[in-house]
Amino acid sequence: DSGVTQTPKHLITATGQRVTLRCSPRSGDLSVYWYQQSLDQGLQFLIHYYNGEERAKGNILERFSAQQFPDLHSELNLSSLELGDSALYFCASSVARDRAYGYTFGSGTRLTVV
Amino acid sequence: LAKTTQPISMDSYEGQEVNITCSHNNIATNDYITWYQQFPSQGPRFIIQGYKTKVTNEVASLFIPADRKSSTLSLPRVSLSDTAVYYCLVGDYNTDKLIFGTGTRLQVFP
Repeated sequence: DSGVTQTPKHLITATGQRVTLRCSPRSGDLSVYWYQQSLDQGLQFLIHYYNGEERAKGNILERFSAQQFPDLHSELNLSSLELGDSALYFCASSVARDRAYGYTFGSGTRLTVV
Repeated sequence: LAKTTQPISMDSYEGQEVNITCSHNNIATNDYITWYQQFPSQGPRFIIQGYKTKVTNEVASLFIPADRKSSTLSLPRVSLSDTAVYYCLVGDYNTDKLIFGTGTRLQVFP
């Protein structure tokens, strides 16, 4: 158990639908990062939140949005889902600017769009 | 962010030492070098991080030459369970994001 909790572990939904993925960071970590991993794209950085504020954006689609709540958990919202959105979605957390320990990743949410 | 280049795949046998080299010619002064390991359908796991010379922990060693334009992850006496993808990343944590490359797929055979 890495200490980063992602729910649900698996999600199957239809095209056009909207889903919410949840991430609880490791205790004490203020930063949450979201990554998408599909077979042909590798690990793609989506977005980073630090203590409730958006800090960096990667190649995140406009159909996707995220937020970090006061209790530091984060949600990634995916809407108007397409078949190509099927992927593993990982959340990672870190103590911002802690160079000693790196990121801690959760076990991911596998999203299947049918 | 410095671009990294590493072999796409490597094969080894149980009990051997494996060295995976990563090139990062454009590494900046404030950049650290970090390696992650990822098993199928699992999140990447932090292995080791260094800035210069040699770093060793219970899992691996990281060798960084003086010019820091490359680094080598050394896995001593690999086992079947070391079969995974290994990512080399270079960056300053102040950049607010880590960019993963394609990684090196290590296959360990009995």
